[in-house]
Amino acid sequence: SAVISQKPSRDICQRGTSLTIQCQVDSQVTMMFWYRQQPGQSLTLIATANQGSEATYESGFVIDKFPISRPNLTFSTLTVSNMSPEDSSIYLCSVEREYNEQFFGPGTRLTVL
Amino acid sequence: AQKITQTQPGMFVQEKEAVTLDCTYDTSDPSYGLFWYKQPSSGEMIFLIYQGSYDQQNATEGRYSLNFQKARKSANLVISASQLGDSAMYFCAIWIYNQGGKLIFGQGTELSVKP
Repeated sequence: SAVISQKPSRDICQRGTSLTIQCQVDSQVTMMFWYRQQPGQSLTLIATANQGSEATYESGFVIDKFPISRPNLTFSTLTVSNMSPEDSSIYLCSVEREYNEQFFGPGTRLTVL
Repeated sequence: AQKITQTQPGMFVQEKEAVTLDCTYDTSDPSYGLFWYKQPSSGEMIFLIYQGSYDQQNATEGRYSLNFQKARKSANLVISASQLGDSAMYFCAIWIYNQGGKLIFGQGTELSVKP
């Protein structure tokens, strides 16, 4: 399995501020994904981040709200911008090493007041 | 569009017994994979088992096995000899070969193991 770390593990933020979440993988991977899990809900894909190209966003998610960087094959960041209480969620990054190997980081638990 | 359905919001099982968590899916793509993940209260997503659409045999990983019925489009997870530590949310997800690797998740089943 891949070893994936996320920072921060949790945070409490004020409305209107922004938070950048980091995702680090212990090996090079082509594809990284960012998911959101709202309270009591399932996971929803925010965007796919491939190194060297712009992130691809799913319907309902926009770059201005969730800018993503992918500077190399082991690292990515997701920023949650201009936060509101509705952004309170667990944010998880995942990586695909092979088609049948998709692993998740430990998640970042965000609370917006 | 692809869809995953988990019809059991919550399940109870006695410790040491087996339990089956249901998952049905809908896709017209011939190449896909099905994943099961466990999410304890800590929030992390733990990979349990994978079944590919062309796999002839049901996948097994330790106490986890996948009852794959392709014609019925179901991929039920069977946990044998339940343990107290199995209490968690369980998510079924589908991966479509030509859709860039993303996973589409079901709504999850909360499993509670009773001592």
